[in-house]
Amino acid sequence: GENVEQHPSTLSVQEGDSAVIKCTYSDSASNYFPWYKQELGKGPQLIIDIRSNVGEKKDQRIAVTLNKTAKHFSLHITETQPEDSAVYFCAASTTDSWGKLQFGAGTQVVVTP
Amino acid sequence: SAVISQKPSRDICQRGTSLTIQCQVDSQVTMMFWYRQQPGQSLTLIATANQGSEATYESGFVIDKFPISRPNLTFSTLTVSNMSPEDSSIYLCSVEAPFTGELFFGEGSRLTVL
Repeated sequence: GENVEQHPSTLSVQEGDSAVIKCTYSDSASNYFPWYKQELGKGPQLIIDIRSNVGEKKDQRIAVTLNKTAKHFSLHITETQPEDSAVYFCAASTTDSWGKLQFGAGTQVVVTP
Repeated sequence: SAVISQKPSRDICQRGTSLTIQCQVDSQVTMMFWYRQQPGQSLTLIATANQGSEATYESGFVIDKFPISRPNLTFSTLTVSNMSPEDSSIYLCSVEAPFTGELFFGEGSRLTVL
């Protein structure tokens, strides 16, 4: 089955700097890659996703890149703000069942003022 | 995105008891999923719940321990049976948006088993 690895496990950045989280996946059939943000005491919130027919997607300060050949995808947050502090999860699934996500272990992001 | 409500939001339970978690969605959805998030860990899929059919369980999860109901297109329940401290987790209901496949989560039900 699919295995998703996520790095780093923790990331501390200065406000205004950029943050990058990287994930790799094992199943070449995976073609849907969402990213979730989870704040303390809340459920995961979908922040951006990318499908395998696209190499990059951007939404304001957040961007995701996908390298199908290398089987890795990354989340980029620019101009970080204290409210970006949270746990971020990458995930992967296939068209057959988009909702059956295999999640990475998560990255605790701390943005210091 | 759909609005997903879960009850209870948190509970403290005694070993050996069972608890049923409810999930209500504000729109009709075909695909609903139940995930578990153990303390400080990532999310793991328990089962897929489609209306009108038996739930489909992932490896490591069985119907006797986690019975699921899906009586209509807006509601589902997950029961955690014969609980032990190892069942202390956040249980999350999620729904798949039609056409886009985006998965949205509820706020979770935080169970502590003593």
